[in-house]
Amino acid sequence: AQSVSQHNHHVILSEAASLELGCNYSYGGTVNLFWYVQYPGQHLQLLLKYFSGDPLVKGIKGFEAEFIKSKFSFNLRKPSVQWSDTAEYFCAVTPTTSGTYKYIFGTGTRLKVLA
Amino acid sequence: DVKVTQSSRYLVKRTGEKVFLECVQDMDHENMFWYRQDPGLGLRLIYFSYDVKMKEKGDIPEGYSVSREKKERFSLILESASTNQTSMYLCASSPVWSRYEQYFGPGTRLTVT
Repeated sequence: AQSVSQHNHHVILSEAASLELGCNYSYGGTVNLFWYVQYPGQHLQLLLKYFSGDPLVKGIKGFEAEFIKSKFSFNLRKPSVQWSDTAEYFCAVTPTTSGTYKYIFGTGTRLKVLA
Repeated sequence: DVKVTQSSRYLVKRTGEKVFLECVQDMDHENMFWYRQDPGLGLRLIYFSYDVKMKEKGDIPEGYSVSREKKERFSLILESASTNQTSMYLCASSPVWSRYEQYFGPGTRLTVT
């Protein structure tokens, strides 16, 4: 079955530390990949997405993610986090050939940034 | 900006009650979705709809039904609420021309007592 794994459930960092959140998926075909963010009390919003082309994608607020096809991974990175990055982060995958619009979400990573 | 609104932010219902959760989007999107979000489980798809009066089951449809009579509105119905349906419910929509990008509403936190 298709699945998305986010191995880090809780991450605590100090401001200015570097961030890398892992995301691995299981699916043998072509996929579209997403990272969503949910700030406290706010709705889920798209951080960045990968459909095709350059495997290094840049999103909002200084985030980037790298698609490594051979590792089935799409890790999220930020060189220097801020207190305002405290949020829950979700990786999501949708197969391009599924014929439906289903997303498969990971279980999320809660990031807390200490001021 | 795409706007997806949900009828309530917080809702408290009793076991056995029939519960309606409403979702409205203002961008003429073809696709609409209902998820529930639970700690440690992420988002799980309950139902989705790709057109008016069309619906498809997601991963956890049991105990739920949906209705889409108008393009902008997608309703989630709990026929007989149970305590294990206490959760955060998220509605999302997407346009068919960017079929894989979803826009989410603020969520409804439902408590069933």
